[in-house]
Amino acid sequence: GAVVSQHPSWVICKSGTSVKIECRSLDFQATTMFWYRQFPKQSLMLMATSNEGSKATYEQGVEKDKFLINHASLTLSTLTVTSAHPEDSSFYICSARDNPGRDTQYFGPGTRLTVL
Amino acid sequence: GEDVEQSLFLSVREGDSSVINCTYTDSSSTYLYWYKQEPGAGLQLLTYIFSNMDMKQDQRLTVLLNKKDKHLSLRIADTQTGDSAIYFCAESRAGGGADGLTFGKGTHLIIQP
Repeated sequence: GAVVSQHPSWVICKSGTSVKIECRSLDFQATTMFWYRQFPKQSLMLMATSNEGSKATYEQGVEKDKFLINHASLTLSTLTVTSAHPEDSSFYICSARDNPGRDTQYFGPGTRLTVL
Repeated sequence: GEDVEQSLFLSVREGDSSVINCTYTDSSSTYLYWYKQEPGAGLQLLTYIFSNMDMKQDQRLTVLLNKKDKHLSLRIADTQTGDSAIYFCAESRAGGGADGLTFGKGTHLIIQP
């Protein structure tokens, strides 16, 4: 089946630093990738939709200057949390669609970000 | 806006069937999904159903969709300890397009020996 990987799986950083998270589709091309965040014991909340070669579409309330998304190729999207603060600590999960005609998303294993 | 509701916990005995329920509000939903999340892990797609279907069966999993009542259920037959996880119901927002999914809060399935 379709496999999505994320790197790193966990990261601890100091407040004020920036952190980049990679999302890769390993065995398929993904024109669309999605970024979600999940707080402890909560559901996943969509942050943004990333389309290859174009600007990401952000959900209401998500700061695009703080969460920079780049989708430079059909197999890679990156999320950069800029000037991270403790409230940005969360589980970040990406997903990718393997077929534009079928609305099925495959999720990565997630990246746990802890900001000290 | 769209909303997906699930009960937070379900406890069943090993070997019994588990039925996890979900209701949604967006009548334009095209696909509805069930995902499984084990502790500390990402989401695993279990199954999905297209909105013009009433039922879908895949081995131990049976999905029932009542589109009129906007009610979705996941039945797991012969529940095993390995089924212990959080199960998320999700819908596609705009029917087959490029939109992200709207998730419920997840149902913790607890297996009693």
